[in-house]
Amino acid sequence: EVQLVESGGGSVQPGGSLRLSCAASGFTFSSYWMNWVRQAPGKGLEWVANINQNGGEKYYVDSVKGRFTISRDNAKNSVFLQVNSLRAEDTAVYYCSRDHTAPGIIFDSWGQGTLVTVSS
Amino acid sequence: VMTQSPATLSVSPGERATLSCRASQSVSSDLAWYQQKPGQAPRLLIYGASTRATGIPARFSGSGSGTEFTLTISSLQSEDFAVYYCQQYNNWPPWTFGQGTKVEIK
Repeated sequence: EVQLVESGGGSVQPGGSLRLSCAASGFTFSSYWMNWVRQAPGKGLEWVANINQNGGEKYYVDSVKGRFTISRDNAKNSVFLQVNSLRAEDTAVYYCSRDHTAPGIIFDSWGQGTLVTVSS
Repeated sequence: VMTQSPATLSVSPGERATLSCRASQSVSSDLAWYQQKPGQAPRLLIYGASTRATGIPARFSGSGSGTEFTLTISSLQSEDFAVYYCQQYNNWPPWTFGQGTKVEIK
């Protein structure tokens, strides 16, 4: 069974930083693209960043470029999102998601999410 | 840009629900649908515009290509009342979602 467990969220002041983690199990982690998708309170879904199987290809939504960094450790079956220079508008539940085996980035499996709250 | 309509759909149990998703430019058949219940993570329903994901009941069906897509729930069950999102994966980055359609009990 595919399992994705996020951690690292919390409450921070504007300008602060956090490191979000996602521990994966139940599949061959190194074979999949991995994604972070967020959802602000009461709002819709927004793709944030993703990373390919060996970490050599990464993409970010424009609003987080230069502030967020995605990485992965295939030996530890984990993907990370370093979030810096946080703003109020970054407040959201951050979901880790595995790509599907079909062509294209399709969010096949999801974790339960970790809440990031940015407030003074 | 992905635009879903309506924002809210009121349907009685056992009735048919039809949800729409429109893309601002062609996404071919690179369109997925997700279901999200309150307090839960989204769940993949449909990909490739019409292929049901593993374990998804046959009452869920998807259709369309290019810029116009439809998710149909043939006979609504109590567990189907939720928010539904479409997502395109043809023109990237970014990978984009619609704003969602809430299916509520009439």
